[in-house]
Amino acid sequence: GAVVSQHPSRVICKSGTSVKIECRSLDFQATTMFWYRQFPKQSLMLMATSNEGSKATYEQGVEKDKFLINHASLTLSTLTVTSAHPEDSSFYICSARDPPGSGGTGELFFGEGSRLTVL
Amino acid sequence: SQELEQSPQSLIVQEGKNLTINCTSSKTLYGLYWYKQKYGEGLIFLMMLQKGGEEKSHEKITAKLDEKKQQSSLHITASQPSHAGIYLCGADGTGTASKLTFGTGTRLQVTL
Repeated sequence: GAVVSQHPSRVICKSGTSVKIECRSLDFQATTMFWYRQFPKQSLMLMATSNEGSKATYEQGVEKDKFLINHASLTLSTLTVTSAHPEDSSFYICSARDPPGSGGTGELFFGEGSRLTVL
Repeated sequence: SQELEQSPQSLIVQEGKNLTINCTSSKTLYGLYWYKQKYGEGLIFLMMLQKGGEEKSHEKITAKLDEKKQQSSLHITASQPSHAGIYLCGADGTGTASKLTFGTGTRLQVTL
């Protein structure tokens, strides 16, 4: 079945460096993907909507320059945490919907998540 | 904006006992998703409810969406250690079945 895959699953970086997280739809094309963030012992918070071929839509309070989103193809969205700091340490999860029609199931899939630790 | 509140926030039950987790929305839901999550891992899809009054079951887990489509409950029968984890409800508030607002989460522990 359709799957959404994230890479890397875990990443540790030094403060000040940038980290890129990939989100891929493996069996379907996704014009829209979603990025969520989860702090320890908290729920998932939507960060932004990634739109293929256009700018991402960020939720209120999310810094566009800190969290760069690129959706260059119909199967790949990337989230880059720029100049990462310890407070950016979190669990990042993406999701995409297998669009109904043309054989799509309409199901919503989540990636496995990526744990970022900034030292 | 839509808000989802889950109760209880945490729950400790003895193996074999039944339990219920509630999810209340501030607005009418187009769809309500239930997920389970182990700490630090991805989401495991449990069920999705769309119609008012709908009820779905999978193994020992039953989820219901009330008639007004603003509250859902998740019921686990005869809990097992494998049921332990964080349960999250996610609301589709736009009818697109894609962007979700998540509830506050319920942490379940099952003791032997």
